[in-house]
Amino acid sequence: GAVVSQHPSWVICKSGTSVKIECRSLDFQATTMFWYRQFPKQSLMLMATSNEGSKATYEQGVEKDKFLINHASLTLSTLTVTSAHPEDSSFYICSAGPRTSGTDEQFFGPGTRLTVL
Amino acid sequence: KQEVTQIPAALSVPEGENLVLNCSFTDSAIYNLQWFRQDPGKGLTSLLLIQSSQREQTSGRLNASLDKSSGRSTLYIAASQPGDSATYLCAVMGGGSRLTFGEGTQLTVNP
Repeated sequence: GAVVSQHPSWVICKSGTSVKIECRSLDFQATTMFWYRQFPKQSLMLMATSNEGSKATYEQGVEKDKFLINHASLTLSTLTVTSAHPEDSSFYICSAGPRTSGTDEQFFGPGTRLTVL
Repeated sequence: KQEVTQIPAALSVPEGENLVLNCSFTDSAIYNLQWFRQDPGKGLTSLLLIQSSQREQTSGRLNASLDKSSGRSTLYIAASQPGDSATYLCAVMGGGSRLTFGEGTQLTVNP
């Protein structure tokens, strides 16, 4: 149990377009979902925290108008990169947790590789 | 602000060697500490999670310890194998279930 999926696994887009990434908890309900960004050879940096039905909380330096997060249900969160530019190219990873019942562990998706041309 | 440091940044060892990866954190007010493995271009694989009240966790050839008061954790890998080659990340959970990650240790196990 505790599987998190992301879609798409990779995406290539032109500069100026918007890209939506989905994060789903497949077999559990999560109170919170988190979005991370990872640049090459670097660690994961938390971008934002989202709770179902409420506005996301963004980390300092992350533009909320550029990275739109929608958390429509206890099993689905989406990250939309608006007007993407080459510097937004990165590996985006989501996590979900804790489960509504159980430990406080977070479970990670497999990541989405975004390349902006 | 929580800061997590991992030492060494990179490590290359011959197959069969036992090794230790280190993780330190500045704020001891944590809920848990987790060790992950990341293969190139892939997501995270959770290895071990230690709750703040625990001292260690074991899974197969892996053993992780936690000294919360001193802000340290170690990941011990016994009898290393080439398949263990990956980047190992340490992360601590603070308030709001927020995880802070270290920069990772890139491990290479040579046949």
